[in-house]
Amino acid sequence: AQSVTQLGSHVSVSEGALVLLRCNYSSSVPPYLFWYVQYPNQGLQLLLKYTTGATLVKGINGFEAEFKKSETSFHLTKPSAHMSDAAEYFCAVSERAGNQFYFGTGTSLTVIP
Amino acid sequence: EAQVTQNPRYLITVTGKKLTVTCSQNMNHEYMSWYRQDPGLGLRQIYYSMNVEVTDKGDVPEGYKVSRKEKRNFPLILESPSPNQTSLYFCASSPRTSGGLYNEQFFGPGTRLTVL
Repeated sequence: AQSVTQLGSHVSVSEGALVLLRCNYSSSVPPYLFWYVQYPNQGLQLLLKYTTGATLVKGINGFEAEFKKSETSFHLTKPSAHMSDAAEYFCAVSERAGNQFYFGTGTSLTVIP
Repeated sequence: EAQVTQNPRYLITVTGKKLTVTCSQNMNHEYMSWYRQDPGLGLRQIYYSMNVEVTDKGDVPEGYKVSRKEKRNFPLILESPSPNQTSLYFCASSPRTSGGLYNEQFFGPGTRLTVL
C-alpha cells in the first residue's frame, strides 16, 4: 500500500510570507497526486492535482505544487500567505492502476497577522 | 447544484445500537467512498465502490458495512457501534475512468459520530 508523509503537523507563517507544506509519497511508480484543503467544519475541496505532463501545477487561491520524481515529493507552496489560507491541508495519492486513495495526516496552517 | 449529501450531520448513540449514515450524490459518479478522519491520523479509507453492486475494503473496514444498490447512494452501516468508532466521517464521489483514479473527489459535509 501507498504511504503519504506530510512533514509538520502544524505550520505557522506570517501574513505575506511564503507558505511551504511538504508531502512525500512512497511509490516507485509516480502516482496521481492531489492537495486538498479543509476549512473548519467543512468537507475537503481540491486545491490542485498532478496527473501527467508539466511538473509544476497551479491550483486555486494562488497555490502551486511541483512534482519531483527523484525526490518522490509534491510540496505545496504559495508566495504570499493570506489570513484566509488558515486551514488544514491534506496531500493524497492514488496509484495509476489502483482503486484506492491514500491521504497524509494533514498539516494545519496558521497565518499570523 | 452538484453535491454530495450526508445524513445525519451529527449523531450521538450508544454502544451496540445499529446505525446507518446515508450518502447520496447527484453527479452520476461511478466511484464512491467512505473515510473516517481522526486527529493525527488524517483520512483513512473505510470502503469504496467502483460502481453499482461493486464494493471493496479500504484500509480500515472492520466494524463497518456498505452497500451500493443504486448509483447515487452509498450508505455506511455500523451494525454494533463501539466507542472506538467515534469519529468524523466523510463520503466522497468521483468519476472513474479506465485510466485510474485521477479525477477530483467531491466530498460531503461530514458526519460527526459519537458512540458512548
